[in-house]
Amino acid sequence: EADIYQTPRYLVIGTGKKITLECSQTMGHDKMYWYQQDPGMELHLIHYSYGVNSTEKGDLSSESTVSRIRTEHFPLTLESARPSHTSQYLCASSEPIPSSGANVLTFGAGSRLTVL
Amino acid sequence: KNQVEQSPQSLIILEGKNCTLQCNYTVSPFSNLRWYKQDTGRGPVSLTIMTFSENTKSNGRYTATLDADTKQSSLHITASQLSDSASYICVVSPGATNKLIFGTGTLLAVQP
Repeated sequence: EADIYQTPRYLVIGTGKKITLECSQTMGHDKMYWYQQDPGMELHLIHYSYGVNSTEKGDLSSESTVSRIRTEHFPLTLESARPSHTSQYLCASSEPIPSSGANVLTFGAGSRLTVL
Repeated sequence: KNQVEQSPQSLIILEGKNCTLQCNYTVSPFSNLRWYKQDTGRGPVSLTIMTFSENTKSNGRYTATLDADTKQSSLHITASQLSDSASYICVVSPGATNKLIFGTGTLLAVQP
């Protein structure tokens, strides 16, 4: 069972509203990520963090912002939602495999956002 | 351009049958290749991860192979079950970064 939790799982809101998608992990991982995924499409990295007070933008430009005040918490905020923000948002955290150093990602169940 | 291409785009098989999913990549440099299973409406779950020196890795009924020379990987599912119905995503890491290159996935439907 995954130890990374996202809320809400589903959210339908009107244009212009401010929303925050919550992500928490109990594994003590330093690295955390936000991905955006549209139906039938690949995941795109929009934000990542190496640890507390560290946030970086990913490959896909996003109007969302993130914060990392605590190791276990990595919320994503949209100040003014628009229909173009409709998508699935996946949070993940990672730890390196001792033998290879590769980071293994553990994903949350996702937050599906619909902006009307 | 770093790319990961998967085939087929979708596949329907009968319960109990085997199937093989393909992944071709043009990512360079290459660090490792992962296969994830993503159930509808859920986040991806890791199945296998292979470095360039590994040719095959198994996880239960899932067996992944890697040919780093031809830049191809496959995921073989043995004795499929209804619960195998999901999207299978190939992901390549281009090196000592956090930037992963995702394929669009193969959507597998296992029918009774």
